[in-house]
Amino acid sequence: QVQLVQSGAEVKKPGASVKVSCKASGYSFISYYMHWVRQAPGQGLEWMGTIYPSAAATTYAQNFQGRLAVTSDTSTSTGYMELTGLTSDDTAVYYCATLGGAFDYWGQGTLVTVSS
Amino acid sequence: DIQMTQSPSSLSASVGDRVTITCRASQGISNYLAWFQQKPGKAPRSLIYAASRLQSGVPSRFSGSGSGRDFTLTISSLQPEDFATYYCQHYAAYPYTFGQGTKVEIK
Repeated sequence: QVQLVQSGAEVKKPGASVKVSCKASGYSFISYYMHWVRQAPGQGLEWMGTIYPSAAATTYAQNFQGRLAVTSDTSTSTGYMELTGLTSDDTAVYYCATLGGAFDYWGQGTLVTVSS
Repeated sequence: DIQMTQSPSSLSASVGDRVTITCRASQGISNYLAWFQQKPGKAPRSLIYAASRLQSGVPSRFSGSGSGRDFTLTISSLQPEDFATYYCQHYAAYPYTFGQGTKVEIK
């Protein structure tokens, strides 16, 4: 069955960077976009960016331009989301997801807490 | 960017009620619209894609309709496990955006 398994919770200081991983299994990793979505405490869902692994093609939301890097390793079927210059506003649960159409699967989420 | 506006932001309903949530896009998105259900502490779950197509395994009491700018999610007979927050999301173009959510609470 399709699974997206994310790395564990992180606590970071302001100004630091965080890199979250998402290991995919049960489907052809290179054939589907991997998206990243975040949710601040008590807030709604915010789309951050995406990668098409077979071409390593990325698209980012304007809000994250210059701070966000989405990458993938096709040899391990793993996607990565790295966010730099963290502030308290980046405290959120970060999800990877296939999104779009009938093939829609989500990781379990990774809590990133930014605190001094 | 395409903005998605959901209404209402919250509602109270009883088991067995018919519930309708609406979502309006700031411009036409054809049928590139999905609906998600989210329970506290859990990842969102896809219910509907392409505006009206039911995801595999989703109960038939959920249905979606609409095209262009206006969309609706209907729960025909609310069940106890349906109390949750619901989001619409377009995937017509980047950036994808979500509605602000509708919290369905027990009356």
